[in-house]
Amino acid sequence: ETGVTQSPTHLIKTRGQQVTLRCSSQSGHNTVSWYQQALGQGPQFIFQYYREEENGRGNFPPRFSGLQFPNYSSELNVNALELDDSALYLCASSAPGPPSRETQYFGPGTRLLVL
Amino acid sequence: GQQVMQIPQYQHVQEGEDFTTYCNSSTTLSNIQWYKQRPGGHPVFLIQLVKSGEVKKQKRLTFQFGEAKKNSSLHITATQTTDVGTYFCAGHSGGSNYKLTFGKGTLLTVNP
Repeated sequence: ETGVTQSPTHLIKTRGQQVTLRCSSQSGHNTVSWYQQALGQGPQFIFQYYREEENGRGNFPPRFSGLQFPNYSSELNVNALELDDSALYLCASSAPGPPSRETQYFGPGTRLLVL
Repeated sequence: GQQVMQIPQYQHVQEGEDFTTYCNSSTTLSNIQWYKQRPGGHPVFLIQLVKSGEVKKQKRLTFQFGEAKKNSSLHITATQTTDVGTYFCAGHSGGSNYKLTFGKGTLLTVNP
């Protein structure tokens, strides 16, 4: 296992609600990336946090937001949930310094179902 | 934006047969990584290729990075039932943002 943990493992919400997903990075890793993986698809990059600042964002609307804390753990917040937000949400951490920062270690993910 | 295509989408083989999946990027990559995701699981890092024309082996798995750093392949020799899963390539285009662009993956099933 990678040492990256995520909570909760599963979640059911209704359309319009808000959700917060949590991630603890592997020890020594200071970069956290979040991905959305729809069924049968590859992971899609949402955003990345490095030293508590957003360090790049994919094609996701502003209702997807995040935080990184001083201990490098991270949160993903999604407001005004839509049915299409149903997916596996993956957190990945990477170590400081090239080339280690380019290798991402994934947590087990949070399966979100929006009804 | 950058796109990464993978073929085939599915591959079913008899145990002992070989398997190859191909990955093609719309842009030149800084490096490419391969991940394996078991059914119901999460992507697990397999390898990173950085140099043009690089070839790396891990037991029965052989990974190649193209000369132009836009394509890659994963070849498995003599598949086993433990090889079942989806294999993803993921490209990194360089820069300070360590975003990975994933292909859609190749689902490998192995008949014992």
